[in-house]
Amino acid sequence: NAGVTQTPKFRVLKTGQSMTLLCAQDMNHEYMYWYRQDPGMGLRLIHYSVGEGTTAKGEVPDGYNVSRLKKQNFLLGLESAAPSQTSVYFCASSYDRYSNQPQHFGDGTRLSIL
Amino acid sequence: GESVGLHLPTLSVQEGDNSIINCAYSNSASDYFIWYKQESGKGPQFIIDIRSNMDKRQGQRVTVLLNKTVKHLSLQIAATQPGDSAVYFCAEPQGAQKLVFGQGTRLTINP
Repeated sequence: NAGVTQTPKFRVLKTGQSMTLLCAQDMNHEYMYWYRQDPGMGLRLIHYSVGEGTTAKGEVPDGYNVSRLKKQNFLLGLESAAPSQTSVYFCASSYDRYSNQPQHFGDGTRLSIL
Repeated sequence: GESVGLHLPTLSVQEGDNSIINCAYSNSASDYFIWYKQESGKGPQFIIDIRSNMDKRQGQRVTVLLNKTVKHLSLQIAATQPGDSAVYFCAEPQGAQKLVFGQGTRLTINP
């Protein structure tokens, strides 16, 4: 049982380049989330999805796009990378909100923008 | 706005001692709290959760206490081991889906 898997684990980009981070979960969870973690800032929600085909903005959505074409996958895209997007990105999933189930996290993607 | 936060950014304890990590929250309507452990290079790992209809919940070597009167919760780790070294976060759902994290407490175990 892999849980939440993120690819790639590390990536270095130049300013202006684009890339997509992939998150996959095998727990049949409805909800999926993308966070970024910066020193001294804790985890901040970028975007989330409450089900296949749906997405919504979190607290820091600017510069990112997401897609949830399949229930098990949640993609985070950077169209034109900026140095301010250097961070560690975590994906998480949960069964739903109403049963108060905890979110389960992947091990992160470390992204550096030069 | 509403927030959840930890009292101390760092905590050092001797191996074998008990550790207590504290967290305060501001929303009196909060009904569910989660503690996560994050080791270096890893994602947050679920430790234990508690609902507002409980004051205490115990797991393996961990206990979470919830004091709704002063809006405070704590994570107690018994007989701390080197493997307990990590950053610990309290978190609570806000709104429909948002999970808000505190800033984290880094627990260091001294031999």
